[in-house]
Parts: sequence; structure tokens; C-alpha cells
Amino acid sequence: DIQMTQSPSSLSASVGDRVTITCRASLSVSGFLNWYQQKPGKAPKLLIYAAQYLHSGVPSRFSGSGSGTDFTLTITGLQPEDFATYYCQQTFSTPRTFGQGTKVDIK
Amino acid sequence: QVTLKESGPVVVKPTETLTLTCTVSGFSLNSPRVGVSWIRQPPGKALEWLAHILSTDEKSYSTSLRNRLTISKDTSKRQVVLTLTDVDPVDTATYFCARYSPGLASPFDYWGQGALVTVSS
Repeated sequence: DIQMTQSPSSLSASVGDRVTITCRASLSVSGFLNWYQQKPGKAPKLLIYAAQYLHSGVPSRFSGSGSGTDFTLTITGLQPEDFATYYCQQTFSTPRTFGQGTKVDIK
Repeated sequence: QVTLKESGPVVVKPTETLTLTCTVSGFSLNSPRVGVSWIRQPPGKALEWLAHILSTDEKSYSTSLRNRLTISKDTSKRQVVLTLTDVDPVDTATYFCARYSPGLASPFDYWGQGALVTVSS
């Protein structure tokens, strides 16, 4: 199985900050890397697919980059509604695997 | 409009079999490159992928749970069913179903609201 490791596990940030979350795969997943946002009690929502493409309706302050084993999710200009937990996921091979999540909370 | 909705028991006793149903609308389970996955999330913990079934009827399972999981679909009923045998309290979780997008990298573009299942005697 491909293991997905996110860092940090949690971070505190202020509105307006630039936030970067990294995801590392134990084997290359090429560009088959997706990012999701989850708020408490809700289902995850797709933010970024194929490492760099913004899902429909997602604000442009979210961006993704990377390929192979190292990926980054960046939020430029953190907004109050962005405080949530973020997960990466590989869809390169089965079983599909998620990272352990990064919780972004208010400083 | 694409929707998915999970249904099943709220409480299951240890050693019993859990059966969950995902009812979909707005797309066909036979559409090319479309599939449905089950994912679960224990309280306060991370997402865990469990299984998927594709439009080709190809199935895949979590390595750690493959001996206890079965996924199937009924296209006419627009349902995907997941069974988990011999449940234990550690199987207590919110269970989500999600659709694979037919697009690049096949992300999960639509999710159900989730169904909380508690394993307790």
C-alpha cells in the first residue's frame, strides 16, 4: 500500500496568512493526488484534483503543486471559512489511501 | 444533480454483520469511468478508504479489511451495498460513500452526508 504522510498534523494561523501543507507519498503517485477540506460533522469536499487543478467552485486562493512523491497545498490569504481539516489522497493505485489530515485552526 | 445517500443501522452488536447502502441519483452506475467508494472515519480520526466498485464491476478493497468486506451494486436500484462482517467496537465510525469523478485522477467529487454506526452490545 502507498502511505501518505502529511505535515504538519496541525497548525495555527491568522486570517490573511499564507498557509502551506505538504503531503508525501511512500512511492510515486505521478500526478494522481487530490486534496479535500473537511469541517466538523460534514463530509469532505474536493478542493484540488490531479495535484494542481482547482475543482469547480473552489476559490482561487487554494492552489496545489507537486508530482511524484511530494505535493503541496497552499492557501493564500486564509479566510475564516478555511479553518478546517485538510486531507490528501492518492488515486494512483489501489488501495486508495488518505493522509492523516492537517487541522488548521485560529491563532 | 448528483447526490449520494448512505443508509443502514445506527447500532450494531459485536460479531454481527454490518450492511450499508448507498443510493445514488443524477448519474448512472454504468457510466464510463464512474465508480463509488466507501470511506469511514472513526470519531476524531482520519479518513480511511474501504472499498470501491467501478462501472466495469471491478472491485477493490482495503488491505487490512479485505477479508471482512464485500461491495456490490444493483444498477437498476441505483444502489451500492457494503457489508462488513464480524464487527468490533473499533468499527464504530461515520461511513461515507463517494463518487469517483470520470475526470483526471478520478477524485471523489461528490460525497454522501455520512452515516454514523456504533458497534456496541
